[in-house]
Amino acid sequence: GENVEQHPSTLSVQEGDSAVIKCTYSDSASNYFPWYKQELGKRPQLIIDIRSNVGEKKDQRIAVTLNKTAKHFSLHITETQPEDSAVYFCAASRTGTASKLTFGTGTRLQVTL
Amino acid sequence: AAGVIQSPRHLIKEKRETATLKCYPIPRHDTVYWYQQGPGQDPQFLISFYEKMQSDKGSIPDRFSAQQFSDYHSELNMSSLELGDSALYFCASSLTQRDRGRETQYFGPGTRLLVL
Repeated sequence: GENVEQHPSTLSVQEGDSAVIKCTYSDSASNYFPWYKQELGKRPQLIIDIRSNVGEKKDQRIAVTLNKTAKHFSLHITETQPEDSAVYFCAASRTGTASKLTFGTGTRLQVTL
Repeated sequence: AAGVIQSPRHLIKEKRETATLKCYPIPRHDTVYWYQQGPGQDPQFLISFYEKMQSDKGSIPDRFSAQQFSDYHSELNMSSLELGDSALYFCASSLTQRDRGRETQYFGPGTRLLVL
């Protein structure tokens, strides 16, 4: 089955700096890669996703890059703000068949003033 | 916009008791997923349903069962509860798109289950 590794497990940045979170996946058939933000005790909220036919996607301060050859994708947050502090999960799935999400182990991002 | 609804939001049970968690997907969504999230852990896929049929099965114990009803809501039934079943249980829903399959999963607020 799919295995998703995520690094780092914790990340502390100063407000205004950039944050980068990296994930690797094992199943070459995976073709959909969402990122979720989860605040303590709350639901995972989708912040951005990318499909395997695209190498990069950007939405305001958030961008995701995908390298299918290396089975590697990354989340980039620029101009971080205190409200960005949360746990971020990457995930991978196949579309069209069994579309369960396999999550990475999460990155706790702390944005300090 | 309407979101995924889960009930109850909190549940306290004793060991060996049973629990039923309910999920109401976003209107028009045809696929429901159940995930279990332990403290400090990532969500683990349990089971999913598409058009009232089981679609995929993950690490769901035999003590658990689930179904999707004609109105697309789903219920997760948990029997012989154990201390280790204490977790957040999330339901998510998605809409099948012919050219993309089932994709974006939207999560409900979760049910926090505590087994004493």
